[in-house]
Amino acid sequence: AQSVTQLGSHVSVSEGALVLLRCNYSSSVPPYLFWYVQYPNQGLQLLLKYTSAATLVKGINGFEAEFKKSETSFHLTKPSAHMSDAAEYFCAVRDSGAGSYQLTFGKGTKLSVIP
Amino acid sequence: DTAVSQTPKYLVTQMGNDKSIKCEQNLGHDTMYWYKQDSKKFLKIMFSYNNKELIINETVPNRFSPKSPDKAHLNLHINSLELGDSAVYFCASSQESGHSGANVLTFGAGSRLTVL
Repeated sequence: AQSVTQLGSHVSVSEGALVLLRCNYSSSVPPYLFWYVQYPNQGLQLLLKYTSAATLVKGINGFEAEFKKSETSFHLTKPSAHMSDAAEYFCAVRDSGAGSYQLTFGKGTKLSVIP
Repeated sequence: DTAVSQTPKYLVTQMGNDKSIKCEQNLGHDTMYWYKQDSKKFLKIMFSYNNKELIINETVPNRFSPKSPDKAHLNLHINSLELGDSAVYFCASSQESGHSGANVLTFGAGSRLTVL
């Protein structure tokens, strides 16, 4: 069964500092991996996704993530945090098998940005 | 035009009541989902329909009954509401047919249910 683990339920960074949100996955087949962001009182929006085309994936708002098979990781980074980045971030995994409809989310990491 | 719209956005009701949440998507997607987000922000899938056929039915009390009258709609009806049903319920949709699985889910804004 597929699963994702997000290390750290809450991460605080100063404005302008590096953002690093950690995600490790467990999947029996090559996975598809996603990062979603949820701003307060809103639904989830896709930040980026990994589909095996390239290990370094660039997303919206300056975020990127690197797929590392040897570490089973898909950590999310941004070089310089903005106040507007404060939100809940979810890593998600989906098996690549045909007809695999299940998207499994991690427990989320709340990012706080300190002025 | 909102891609995935849910109504109502907020719902406050008493224990034991029956309530429904409606979802509509105008993206032409063939698959729709209901997710439950609890107070700790944990997201758990409840149901999924592909072309009106139920394909995911997680361990959910049978007080919850989804209904998909057509590909663009997926409603959630909840009978005999309990305190533990208080949560935010998210509808989502994706296009599965003809894709490899790297399909992106588009989410609605959520429906916050509070059971008193």
